[in-house]
Amino acid sequence: DTAVSQTPKYLVTQMGNDKSIKCEQNLGHDTMYWYKQDSKKFLKIMFSYNNKELIINETVPNRFSPKSPDKAHLNLHINSLELGDSAVYFCASSHRDSHTEAFFGQGTRLTVV
Amino acid sequence: AQSVSQHNHHVILSEAASLELGCNYSYGGTVNLFWYVQYPGQHLQLLLKYFSGDPLVKGIKGFEAEFIKSKFSFNLRKPSVQWSDTAEYFCAVTSNQAGTALIFGKGTTLSVSS
Repeated sequence: DTAVSQTPKYLVTQMGNDKSIKCEQNLGHDTMYWYKQDSKKFLKIMFSYNNKELIINETVPNRFSPKSPDKAHLNLHINSLELGDSAVYFCASSHRDSHTEAFFGQGTRLTVV
Repeated sequence: AQSVSQHNHHVILSEAASLELGCNYSYGGTVNLFWYVQYPGQHLQLLLKYFSGDPLVKGIKGFEAEFIKSKFSFNLRKPSVQWSDTAEYFCAVTSNQAGTALIFGKGTTLSVSS
């Protein structure tokens, strides 16, 4: 019954590796997001997709590439991982209508060593 | 650009004490306002939201918030906190345009001692 699910929950990897995080929502929402939560708990929007179309692309290194195969899925691929990429990454979804809240996944704790 | 400011970084209370967490936002247009809570090791959950209408909104677990447009504020309150309220609290805003993402404040850590 999980509404927004992310995998994996934990990811430990070495610098320079490439990794992906997957996200799926079963809420019927048309908009999905990736947020990064840093070590000080600050949450920052990275990307947003609406019906597979990129609508928000904040200042994020090109090493980060989102992919949305359909409106229920939004994956995040990270190339050449760096120590500074260590964070918790949250996927979220909502309806595009502004009068609605976003629902969040459990988060993926990425640790780059 | 929108921004959200949460004044209290860390609040420490005893059980049964009253809580008020400050939140101010910066945006010239119509906004939607939210408070989310993040319990230790968990994801963000919505406490309450304001879109329009009555500026005093009630959420889950006895929380409420008041939107004061003239002060650009949306403070969170609870008359009597419990140990289980220990968590991180985030104020967030979106503009009234469809498709905009949540902009979060830096969060307030609430520690409640029993």
